[in-house]
Amino acid sequence: GDSVTQMEGPVTLSEEAFLTINCTYTATGYPSLFWYVQYPGEGLQLLLKATKADDKGSNKGFEATYRKETTSFHLEKGSVQVSDSAVYFCALQKAAGNKLTFGGGTRVLVKP
Amino acid sequence: GAVVSQHPSWVICKSGTSVKIECRSLDFQATTMFWYRQFPKQSLMLMATSNEGSKATYEQGVEKDKFLINHASLTLSTLTVTSAHPEDSSFYICSAPGTGDHEQYFGPGTRLTVT
Repeated sequence: GDSVTQMEGPVTLSEEAFLTINCTYTATGYPSLFWYVQYPGEGLQLLLKATKADDKGSNKGFEATYRKETTSFHLEKGSVQVSDSAVYFCALQKAAGNKLTFGGGTRVLVKP
Repeated sequence: GAVVSQHPSWVICKSGTSVKIECRSLDFQATTMFWYRQFPKQSLMLMATSNEGSKATYEQGVEKDKFLINHASLTLSTLTVTSAHPEDSSFYICSAPGTGDHEQYFGPGTRLTVT
């Protein structure tokens, strides 16, 4: 079946450091890929998405590129802030309106 | 953007009792809603897909008689945890697809604690 694997956390960084969270997937066909973020005490929010190969999703300084050849969708941010402390989930979706398959989540803690 | 609400946000119940959790799409209609379960510091696991006007589709390993899902209208789906046990304690999250391409909106979650 479909699956998403992302690096385990927690990831602890200093403010202004570079952040990378690796995500790889296994799926048939051409899924859409997502990064969701869950801030402490809040629900999941869509951070960015890419719906086809080589698409780059970006939002709030975060970027991820859909790499079909490596089945990856790594999340990056060049300079993190304390407010970026959250749990980040990589996910795939086979078709619009369908369920999401999530990775295990990566907790990121940014220290001042 | 579209908003999905859940009620209650947290609930404590005694073992053996039943608890109902509501998921509402506030400003859009949802013929489908998804129910997820999230254990502490773990990922979201899909429990079932709720379909308006028809039976829910449960994922493998999820007891349909224990987790009753009713999607009575285009804006409301309910999850009832019957005869709750401490191992049912978890964070339950619903989501609904929006009208946009691949958009999906999540409720804030309901924390259930069974004592």
